[in-house]
Amino acid sequence: AQSVTQLGSHVSVSEGALVLLRCNYSSSVPPYLFWYVQYPNQGLQLLLKYTTGATLVKGINGFEAEFKKSETSFHLTKPSAHMSDAAEYFCAVRANFGNEKLTFGTGTRLTIIP
Amino acid sequence: SAVISQKPSRDICQRGTSLTIQCQVDSQVTMMFWYRQQPGQSLTLIATANQGSEATYESGFVIDKFPISRPNLTFSTLTVSNMSPEDSSIYLCSVLQFSSYNEQFFGPGTRLTVL
Repeated sequence: AQSVTQLGSHVSVSEGALVLLRCNYSSSVPPYLFWYVQYPNQGLQLLLKYTTGATLVKGINGFEAEFKKSETSFHLTKPSAHMSDAAEYFCAVRANFGNEKLTFGTGTRLTIIP
Repeated sequence: SAVISQKPSRDICQRGTSLTIQCQVDSQVTMMFWYRQQPGQSLTLIATANQGSEATYESGFVIDKFPISRPNLTFSTLTVSNMSPEDSSIYLCSVLQFSSYNEQFFGPGTRLTVL
């Protein structure tokens, strides 16, 4: 079984500041990890994913995340926030074999302060 | 990546009625899923739509309430039956492709309001 915890349902950062969205997971098998973004009144868009290999993964729009097995974490970062980053962000986990179902965290709403 | 369309994009329905949501993909996919996103909440998996056979439902969801069809590799429908205001949600179709098995793509969603 898998579960995801996203710390902070709302995060506000100033434009140009570092964005850090936290995600911790629990999984009984090696996980695949994902970050999705949802803009207002739209569906989900995949930002980045970790499956195997390099633990630091880069995604679209300047985002990256690092898989830390020892900390069971997969935090999302971006060095410099842009107004267009305002959205809802979801972390998700699935098993790396045999079960393709995604389990989502509760989401973090990111607000960018001009 | 797969291009997924859903119809309708939104609807307002009366309690006790049913609504069928369609999901169309522009290419053949291995798996199709239906999720629900209640207002201000995260996504919850309703069921996996299986081609040519009954869908596989998650705990808390039943076929009588959410009948699902998947007649081929590019199309699926979800029906929300005997609706109540608690069914007001966004319903999202999601797919896994043969060629990018580790990436699950999502449709734009259907925003349902039940009065």
